[in-house]
Amino acid sequence: AQSVSQHNHHVILSEAASLELGCNYSYGGTVNLFWYVQYPGQHLQLLLKYFSGDPLVKGIKGFEAEFIKSKFSFNLRKPSVQWSDTAEYFCAVNGRDTGRRALTFGSGTRLQVQP
Amino acid sequence: AAGVIQSPRHLIKEKRETATLKCYPIPRHDTVYWYQQGPGQDPQFLISFYEKMQSDKGSIPDRFSAQQFSDYHSELNMSSLELGDSALYFCASSFQSGGPTYEQYFGPGTRLTVT
Repeated sequence: AQSVSQHNHHVILSEAASLELGCNYSYGGTVNLFWYVQYPGQHLQLLLKYFSGDPLVKGIKGFEAEFIKSKFSFNLRKPSVQWSDTAEYFCAVNGRDTGRRALTFGSGTRLQVQP
Repeated sequence: AAGVIQSPRHLIKEKRETATLKCYPIPRHDTVYWYQQGPGQDPQFLISFYEKMQSDKGSIPDRFSAQQFSDYHSELNMSSLELGDSALYFCASSFQSGGPTYEQYFGPGTRLTVT
């Protein structure tokens, strides 16, 4: 069974600090990887995605993530966070080869950015 | 751009009542997914439909059923509601026929409160 682990449950940063959120997955096949953001009271929005090719992917709002296949990791980074980045961040995975298209989410990381 | 539409946005029901949640996917999207997000939890996959047929099943209780109609909208029917069913129910849609990327777009969710 596939699973996703997000090691940081709650992160507090000051504005302009750098961000890295960890995500590791367990899956017996080829995967698609996603990071979603959920602002307070809102729905999930796609930040970025990895399907194939360059393992460093860039998303919206200055976020990027790096897929390291040997480590089964897909960490999210941002060089300088803003107060408006306060939200919950979910890493998610689905399978490319099994046809299991439903997303499996990590437990989420709540990011709080202090002005 | 058109997004996923869910109705109602909020629903309050009593124990043992029934509820019907509706989801209207992005135009031309052929796949609908239902997820349940309990308070402070990550979204859990319930069920999905591709071209009006059930394509995958997750942790959906037997008290729940769903279907996708000819216009691709989907309905989640919930019976004998329990307090534990109180959650945010997300619908997501994707264009599966377009390739293996399986990118899902989420709706705003229906917040169900069972009293």
